[in-house]
Amino acid sequence: SQTIHQWPATLVQPVGSPLSLECTVEGTSNPNLYWYRQAAGRGLQLLFYSVGIGQISSEVPQNLSASRPQDRQFILSSKKLLLSDSGFYLCAWNAGLSSSYNEQFFGPGTRLTVL
Amino acid sequence: AQSVTQLDSHVSVSEGTPVLLRCNYSSSYSPSLFWYVQHPNKGLQLLLKYTSAATLVKGINGFEAEFKKSETSFHLTKPSAHMSDAAEYFCVVNSGGYQKVTFGTGTKLQVIP
Repeated sequence: SQTIHQWPATLVQPVGSPLSLECTVEGTSNPNLYWYRQAAGRGLQLLFYSVGIGQISSEVPQNLSASRPQDRQFILSSKKLLLSDSGFYLCAWNAGLSSSYNEQFFGPGTRLTVL
Repeated sequence: AQSVTQLDSHVSVSEGTPVLLRCNYSSSYSPSLFWYVQHPNKGLQLLLKYTSAATLVKGINGFEAEFKKSETSFHLTKPSAHMSDAAEYFCVVNSGGYQKVTFGTGTKLQVIP
């Protein structure tokens, strides 16, 4: 069966510090991968998605970046965190079939607090 | 283009009474529709999905949703609320072959004992 992992589970970082959040998927090949942010009192905002190694699409301009160095690994990074980067970050995957409408499966999330 | 509207940001029901969470969508194509549940500080769990088969979809934990094309709705229901149903619920639409989805803003369900 497929599983998705995120770490760390919680993170407290000072403003201006770097960030690296990792997401890995097991039990599937060539998944589509997604990063979402959920800010307090707001819905889910799609940040990045990837349909293959090295292929990243950005949905919103921001100081965050994403990379996919391996098929089942998705990394969210920042060189300098802002207060507004605080939130709950969710990684998700679904089957990489371009003509399908598959549901996404979510990881447990990372709670990021920027002070 | 696609969008989804969850008509209520908060819903409060008594334990044992029916639950109705409303969702309307717009889509240029025949969409797939999903409901997810999120408990505090947890990831999202899929409750059910509609993918152009039966219009009445049964999900986990006794939830159901009915796809009504004429009303562009996909409301979530449950006959009898349980305390463990207290959570936030998201309606999601996907009508793109490029695998992008649109989330509603969520409905927080409170269950009163």
